[in-house]
Amino acid sequence: NAGVTQTPKFQVLKTGQSMTLQCAQDMNHNSMYWYRQDPGMGLRLIYYSASEGTTDKGEVPNGYNVSRLNKREFSLRLESAAPSQTSVYFCASSEIQTSGVNEQFFGPGTRLTVL
Amino acid sequence: GQQLNQSPQSMFIQEGEDVSMNCTSSSIFNTWLWYKQDPGEGPVLLIALYKAGELTSNGRLTAQFGITRKDSFLNISASIPSDVGIYFCAGRYYSTLTFGKGTMLLVSP
Repeated sequence: NAGVTQTPKFQVLKTGQSMTLQCAQDMNHNSMYWYRQDPGMGLRLIYYSASEGTTDKGEVPNGYNVSRLNKREFSLRLESAAPSQTSVYFCASSEIQTSGVNEQFFGPGTRLTVL
Repeated sequence: GQQLNQSPQSMFIQEGEDVSMNCTSSSIFNTWLWYKQDPGEGPVLLIALYKAGELTSNGRLTAQFGITRKDSFLNISASIPSDVGIYFCAGRYYSTLTFGKGTMLLVSP
């Protein structure tokens, strides 16, 4: 039971290049999330998927696209990377239970540098 | 959007001391969560609070869900060097979480 896994762990891109960050969870959770973490800014939500087949914008969606490929996988794509997208990206998943419990579990992160 | 004010921003304490940090918001939340992040790792859930006024402990950690639903605090008693890290509060209203900016804790042996 690996929890939430992310690939790659590190990536360096040149401005204008594209790439896809991969995330998978094996906890059978319905909801998945993508965050970025910048120094002094905490975690900011980029996109989320409340359930398979749905995606919604978070606080900072510009410059990103997402795909909920199936229940397990949720990918984040940068079509044309910019230096402002240099950050650490975290994927998370959760299961909203009837009791209201909604604890998010995080992956180890992808450290992206855009030159 | 909703915003959380987390304080203090950082703390440098001696091993054995108690620590207290808190989060406040102008909005109400249904859930308060406290996470710890070690260097180079993702956040790990420490404590979850689901009812206003709830006080919950996890070992040396104690957290409370404020009665107004707009604040929460986390206490760490008898700190040890492995408590070093960044602590985040997070509030949930519907399906998404809003995170505080974190409290960096440094513990001197």
